[in-house]
Amino acid sequence: DVKVTQSSRYLVKRTGEKVFLECVQDMDHENMFWYRQDPGLGLRLIYFSYDVKMKEKGDIPEGYSVSREKKERFSLILESASTNQTSMYLCASSSGLAGGFWNEQFFGPGTRLTVL
Amino acid sequence: GENVEQHPSTLSVQEGDSAVIKCTYSDSASNYFPWYKQELGKRPQLIIDIRSNVGEKKDQRIAVTLNKTAKHFSLHITETQPEDSAVYFCAASKGAGSYQLTFGKGTKLSVIP
Repeated sequence: DVKVTQSSRYLVKRTGEKVFLECVQDMDHENMFWYRQDPGLGLRLIYFSYDVKMKEKGDIPEGYSVSREKKERFSLILESASTNQTSMYLCASSSGLAGGFWNEQFFGPGTRLTVL
Repeated sequence: GENVEQHPSTLSVQEGDSAVIKCTYSDSASNYFPWYKQELGKRPQLIIDIRSNVGEKKDQRIAVTLNKTAKHFSLHITETQPEDSAVYFCAASKGAGSYQLTFGKGTKLSVIP
């Protein structure tokens, strides 16, 4: 079974703090993703990585950065947390393209971040 | 970029009835269309997906259809059960060979016993 874990289920931070969200997958997947989930807005991609030290911006990268130093670990960084970054953050991973088609994304349990 | 519209946003059905959720996409190069189910307080999980080289796929009570010409795809759940109650998300790949998925905003399905 693929296992994607996230460092915290719940996190409360103050405005202006630097926040680190960690994600680890144990299936040697090439691709890792960070989404945020807000009611009525679905899942929106923040950043993704298709290899170690490689990253690409998703649809809403402003205010976030990422780090992937090891294949199994993908970190999301909020340099200076703001109240509008209060949200559920979901990490996902998938293996590489097969025959030109996508493979399933496996999600972590999510981190509910509250910024006060 | 890719845009995925999902309808309806909420759906209530009686147990045993069928449920249909529809999605449209904008990028004609998209070639992969998964559906995810998210139960309350849990992570999204893939329930079925379809690739652009097929028009329909079934898995027990769940089926997905794809119309590439019209750029829409649908999820059909037959003989609904209370455990089908969840939020369902459709998604589309951002063009052939892209690493990204674009998700719809979700449909909250309630199955009334």
